[in-house]
Amino acid sequence: QKEVEQNSGPLSVPEGAIASLNCTYSDRVSQSFFWYRQYSGKSPELIMSIYSNGDKEDGRFTAQLNKASQYVSLLIRDSQPSDSATYLCAVTGQAGTALIFGKGTTLSVSS
Amino acid sequence: NAGVTQTPKFRILKIGQSMTLQCTQDMNHNYMYWYRQDPGMGLKLIYYSVGAGITDKGEVPNGYNVSRSTTEDFPLRLELAAPSQTSVYFCASSYLLGSSGANVLTFGAGSRLTVL
Repeated sequence: QKEVEQNSGPLSVPEGAIASLNCTYSDRVSQSFFWYRQYSGKSPELIMSIYSNGDKEDGRFTAQLNKASQYVSLLIRDSQPSDSATYLCAVTGQAGTALIFGKGTTLSVSS
Repeated sequence: NAGVTQTPKFRILKIGQSMTLQCTQDMNHNYMYWYRQDPGMGLKLIYYSVGAGITDKGEVPNGYNVSRSTTEDFPLRLELAAPSQTSVYFCASSYLLGSSGANVLTFGAGSRLTVL
């Protein structure tokens, strides 16, 4: 059974701080990694994708991947109250296989 | 461009009733998926399809059926509704991103189903 694990939180950070979200996965052949953001009552939306080891930056978001440790993380710099949401880590295995999601980490940014 | 459209948005069923959740996409994506999300939980894959006429089971297929007669449509059928099927259902579609094979999903707005 392929698994994706996340700390469910809630993770609380003050406005302007760095939020760090973590995810581990069990399938060593996983190739593609995604972070989705989901506001309450809404559908998930893609915010970051990463496919190779290292860091990938997009604005205030940085995704980090370490395939040897089977670990992927998301850093949100200068956190804003509008970042308050649930963040879902998703992993796909070999080409064409469906995404497997973690349970999500709820982030709360206080002003 | 509508993206992924799901109907209905809300539905209440009695135990043992049947219904179909409709899903249509207009992006010409080959891949389509049905996920369910229980409160405080992530998304669980029910069924997926890699093209018209091809479907496969996901993590939690029991109690559901699907068909894929066209590229655009991927309906999810509940034959004998049970309280355990109370959930929010998301349909999604995707394309393969280059040689990495990454599936970038576009989600519908969701269908909230309650079985009483």
